[in-house]
This record gives sequence, structure tokens and C-alpha cells, in this order.
Amino acid sequence: AQTVTQSQPEMSVQEAETVTLSCTYDTSESDYYLFWYKQPPSRQMILVIRQEAYKQQNATENRFSVNFQKAAKSFSLKISDSQLGDAAMYFCAYRGNTGNQFYFGTGTSLTVIP
Amino acid sequence: EPEVTQTPSHQVTQMGQEVILRCVPISNHLYFYWYRQILGQKVEFLVSFYNNEISEKSEIFDDQFSVERPDGSNFTLKIRSTKLEDSAMYFCASSAGQGSFQPQHFGDGTRLSIL
Repeated sequence: AQTVTQSQPEMSVQEAETVTLSCTYDTSESDYYLFWYKQPPSRQMILVIRQEAYKQQNATENRFSVNFQKAAKSFSLKISDSQLGDAAMYFCAYRGNTGNQFYFGTGTSLTVIP
Repeated sequence: EPEVTQTPSHQVTQMGQEVILRCVPISNHLYFYWYRQILGQKVEFLVSFYNNEISEKSEIFDDQFSVERPDGSNFTLKIRSTKLEDSAMYFCASSAGQGSFQPQHFGDGTRLSIL
């Protein structure tokens, strides 16, 4: 079974600074998809960014970017110019090429310090 | 922006009782999902549902659980004979298509507390 590991239960960053959240995964599949979800205190999980494994180019969405290292099975999230509204729990998720289920990591709680 | 809505936000139930968690997926979505998150643990997949039937389920989703789409808008998760270990956050999600790159849109969750 696929597993997703987030080794940082908590992270903090100064407002306007950059922070990187780590995620590694284990899979035997060659085609798959990776996602980062944000869960603010309001509890609804919101998609932040996604990456197709067959694409070498790292995905970018405004201040959010990923560092996807397929060989290392690593999928880290970089948040630039951190804002107070970025404070949330961040979940890394994996989805295989077949099937519907997402496999989630345990999450990283991000605190933004004003 | 359309949202997945879940009710109630918090459900307290006596052990052994049945509970129904309700979800209204985004209206034009065709695929529906339930996940749960036990406190301090990762979000775990329970079941996916398409075309009025279960398309995939995890080992967690045993005979104690069932899902239903009773009308054109609601998607429910029924848990029979609840146990203490069923206490968790339950998230409903929906997606427009089945493609693996399709994001799943999540609701706020229902916190289920079994006493």
C-alpha cells in the first residue's frame, strides 16, 4: 500500500519569510498524482497545489511551489512571502493512476508569526 | 464558489446507537467520498461512490458502515452499532470526474463523539 510521510508535525515561519514543508511517499507505481491540501481552523480542506508525476517541471501556484523529486519520492511544499492567512494544517496526499482514494500524510501544523 | 456541506458539525452518540452523517456534494459532481480522521492521526479513506454504487472501499469500511444517495443532492454515511473507536472527524468529499488529477473538494467535516 502507498504511504505518505510528513516528518514535521509542526513548523513556524516569520511573516514574509519562506518555509518548506516536507513530504515523502512510498509507491511502486510509475504514474501517480500528488497534492497539497490546506486545512485552516475552519476545518475545510482546500487544495493548494497538485503535481503529475510524469511532469518533471515543478508546479507553481502564486506563492506556493513544490520541489518534486521523483527518484527520491519527495514532494515538498514551499511557501514564499508567508502571510498570516497561511497558518493552517497542511496535508500531503497521493493518488495513484487507478482508483479513487487519496492517501494522506499526518499533516504539518504551520504557525505564522507576525 | 460551490462548497461541500456537511451536517451536523458535531454529533454525540451513545455507544451502540446508529448515526447518520449527511453531506451535500457540489451539485455537478459525480463522485463522492467519505474519509475519517481519528484525533492525532492521518486522514483515512473509507469509501468512494459513483452512479449509485460503491466504486471502492477500504478495509475500514466493513459491514458496520453503509452509504446512500437518497435523493439528487444528499450523500449519507450510516454507522451502525457505534463503538468508542468510531470517534473521529468524518469528511465528505466530491469530485467532478474520476481522472486521477481531479481534485477532491472537502467539506468541513462532522466531529463524531461516541460516549
